[in-house]
Amino acid sequence: DTGVSQDPRHKITKRGQNVTFRCDPISEHNRLYWYRQTLGQGPEFLTYFQNEAQLEKSRLLSDRFSAERPKGSFSTLEIQRTEQGDSAMYLCASTRMGGYEKLFFGSGTQLSVL
Amino acid sequence: AQRVTQPEKLLSVFKGAPVELKCNYSYSGSPELFWYVQYSRQRLQLLLRHISRESIKGFTADLNKGETSFHLKKPFAQEEDSAMYYCALKGPGTYKYIFGTGTRLKVLA
Repeated sequence: DTGVSQDPRHKITKRGQNVTFRCDPISEHNRLYWYRQTLGQGPEFLTYFQNEAQLEKSRLLSDRFSAERPKGSFSTLEIQRTEQGDSAMYLCASTRMGGYEKLFFGSGTQLSVL
Repeated sequence: AQRVTQPEKLLSVFKGAPVELKCNYSYSGSPELFWYVQYSRQRLQLLLRHISRESIKGFTADLNKGETSFHLKKPFAQEEDSAMYYCALKGPGTYKYIFGTGTRLKVLA
């Protein structure tokens, strides 16, 4: 078990392009979170999955953002028509329901929109 | 509004000095409070949670419901404590963790 894995580590894209990030949580974890972090700020909640169900999505998230967790295992976060304001570190975290309430974070995907 | 406030962006102390990282929260109810830490070139990880009433790496945090605070303390700072510290809360029966903006702790030799 290598922990929560995120791919890619870095992504540079041009404004208007679509990007997709992947998160592989710890295998027995059924709760999965996506957070966004910009310089000087703490992690900001984007969305939450319990198994394959997306139970909460931040109201701050525009329609350009979509996330899936098709089989309750890995998850993808897609940003369509990227804007420069989307540049940030995108963090994935997982935990086990009924467990210790301890979030395990991935290393993140650093997105730069030019 | 649910909010976590960490008033200090940077805190510098000398090795062996006491440390207190401040955290205030706004929540209508009784949230669960946490401290997360990120060491250089490492992932964000849980340091401690108020329910456990534990001491991790010499750090403790007391929940003060009257002052809505959850300050992190350590009596004698070590150089290896240098890191970014985030206070977070989660409402009972909810999923969302709300993080503060973080405090960078620098322990000087």
